[in-house]
Amino acid sequence: DADVTQTPRNRITKTGKRIMLECSQTKGHDRMYWYRQDPGLGLRLIYYSFDVKDINKGEISDGYSVSRQAQAKFSLSLESAIPNQTALYFCATSDFGRDLWETQYFGPGTRLLVL
Amino acid sequence: AQTVTQSQPEMSVQEAETVTLSCTYDTSENNYYLFWYKQPPSRQMILVIRQEAYKQQNATENRFSVNFQKAAKSFSLKISDSQLGDTAMYFCAFKLYSNYQLIWGAGTKLIIKP
Repeated sequence: DADVTQTPRNRITKTGKRIMLECSQTKGHDRMYWYRQDPGLGLRLIYYSFDVKDINKGEISDGYSVSRQAQAKFSLSLESAIPNQTALYFCATSDFGRDLWETQYFGPGTRLLVL
Repeated sequence: AQTVTQSQPEMSVQEAETVTLSCTYDTSENNYYLFWYKQPPSRQMILVIRQEAYKQQNATENRFSVNFQKAAKSFSLKISDSQLGDTAMYFCAFKLYSNYQLIWGAGTKLIIKP
């Protein structure tokens, strides 16, 4: 969905480096999420944010931090990357106020390789 | 706790055939939503179809339809007249009315052969 963008699309980094993955959305949604996808495991929630001042840990937040700079921007940081953080990372958004389903819409993903 | 199970890791069918992907879930709640997402080789996660638990009528979106069996806690996806572009990973997901969280299955890899 072009309304949710992620940068970079691919990233190779080395163990111990700090990196940031960025997500922007033009959907006007209030809620944003970061997921990690590993083969055979589906998607796992890292962090979620209900608004700029409301940020919460998901099921696998260790080793990650986030920043919600504005309603439209939600960044994920790996403070000191390690090889088992090699994965596909997705940002998603949802609209709590106007969508009863609160369907989540996804960005194109960032493939991260930690050497 | 809610769980979602997709028992078919991989399936393949010939183009133009009909294929059904299975999904079962476990919950003690009555009010929830169910979703099918598609992830083609481009990696994009795309919403295919969704269903509200209180609606008995099965959702349909063009060639995609679901068979929702609430008592059996089953939510299968049927793809009719399959096309090469349907080749993708398909994920089933569950969400309670009162909760933001999506619970995901592990996915089924579907290959459409020419």
